[in-house]
Amino acid sequence: AQSVTQLDSQVPVFEEAPVELRCNYSSSVSVYLFWYVQYPNQGLQLLLKYLSGSTLVKGINGFEAEFNKSQTSFHLRKPSVHISDTAEYFCAVSEGDTDKLIFGTGTRLQVFP
Amino acid sequence: ETGVTQTPRHLVMGMTNKKSLKCEQHLGHNAMYWYKQSAKKPLELMFVYSLEERVENNSVPSRFSPECPNSSHLFLHLHTLQPEDSALYLCASSQVARMNTEAFFGQGTRLTVV
Repeated sequence: AQSVTQLDSQVPVFEEAPVELRCNYSSSVSVYLFWYVQYPNQGLQLLLKYLSGSTLVKGINGFEAEFNKSQTSFHLRKPSVHISDTAEYFCAVSEGDTDKLIFGTGTRLQVFP
Repeated sequence: ETGVTQTPRHLVMGMTNKKSLKCEQHLGHNAMYWYKQSAKKPLELMFVYSLEERVENNSVPSRFSPECPNSSHLFLHLHTLQPEDSALYLCASSQVARMNTEAFFGQGTRLTVV
């Protein structure tokens, strides 16, 4: 069965510093991988997704993620964060051609001035 | 604005009440979803509708009853809820019920059961 692990429930970081939010998944078949962001009192918004092709995926707001099949990881990175990046970030996986999107527990990114 | 609108944004209800959550999308999507978001837990998929037919029901208690009258509207009818049902309920839609396509989420309804 699929599962998604986000090891860090909270990540505090100073503005303009780099950040990495970790995501690991378990699946025995090919997967699609997603990162969603949830700003306070908002719904989820897609940041980026990996379906196939290049393992380095670029998304909105300067975020990128790298799919590593051998390590079953899809970590999210940004070289320089801004105060406005403060939000909850969710990693999600979908197995093949199904209608299920399995989410991790989320990582709260808190950016300090 | 994501194109998916949920009403109400906040709802407080007693355990004996009956209420409904509404979701509306004008994106031309054919699939709609209800998710439950509780603190410190992963988002839980509750229901999936594809072309107005329910295709997924993840063992959700019968006190939650979905309705999809057309491809643009989705309801979640609530009755005799429990305090542990308090959560953020998110509606989402996608072009088809295949999760390799992007899902668009509403802002959610914050439900408190007292």
